[in-house]
Amino acid sequence: GAGVSQSPSNKVTEKGKDVELRCDPISGHTALYWYRQSLGQGLEFLIYFQGNSAPDKSGLPSDRFSAERTGGSVSTLTIQRTQQEDSAVYLCASSLSWGTTGELFFGEGSRLTVL
Amino acid sequence: AQRVTQPEKLLSVFKGAPVELKCNYSYSGSPELFWYVQYSRQRLQLLLRHISRESIKGFTADLNKGETSFHLKKPFAQEEDSAMYYCALSGGQAGTALIFGKGTTLSVSS
Repeated sequence: GAGVSQSPSNKVTEKGKDVELRCDPISGHTALYWYRQSLGQGLEFLIYFQGNSAPDKSGLPSDRFSAERTGGSVSTLTIQRTQQEDSAVYLCASSLSWGTTGELFFGEGSRLTVL
Repeated sequence: AQRVTQPEKLLSVFKGAPVELKCNYSYSGSPELFWYVQYSRQRLQLLLRHISRESIKGFTADLNKGETSFHLKKPFAQEEDSAMYYCALSGGQAGTALIFGKGTTLSVSS
């Protein structure tokens, strides 16, 4: 596809359940980012991948959050034992690794609602 | 530590009025600053970056290192400028994560 693709677009789950959110970056983009967008908090950085490795995990809110990336492409963000405060829009973005600093291409997001 | 501050959650102006969206940053090195915009029901997208020194959709932003600011300005606001605007900072290394401010909603009415 032409842009960053995320699925599901909407997810409603019960407190305590695990969820997986998927991101398919733009072909050829080696850097991949996860952000969380919520009212009043703006855009919070979660984790960043360069290839399959994650040199910066500093933004993950707790050990219930994890992410992986395989084959230098698709990434999955997993939230275990979801809590109501996890409700937010989770945004994925990708960028070229070299020569292009700062321009991130965002997906449409996955809206998570924890009941 | 890197930090981006956007002091206004909401800015409401009339069509044709000047607009200034404020952004202040904290960073010990030489940062790169950006403005991203999210229109209703659209993806977050890059508006402009300070190194390009460009005007996009009539918007400009000047990096003031003395005041550690990167305010976004437009002389005459249009209704289609209504959106959420995020200021963002990068440490400058290729591929590093952007740190965003909390965003300012701009509402332009006629």
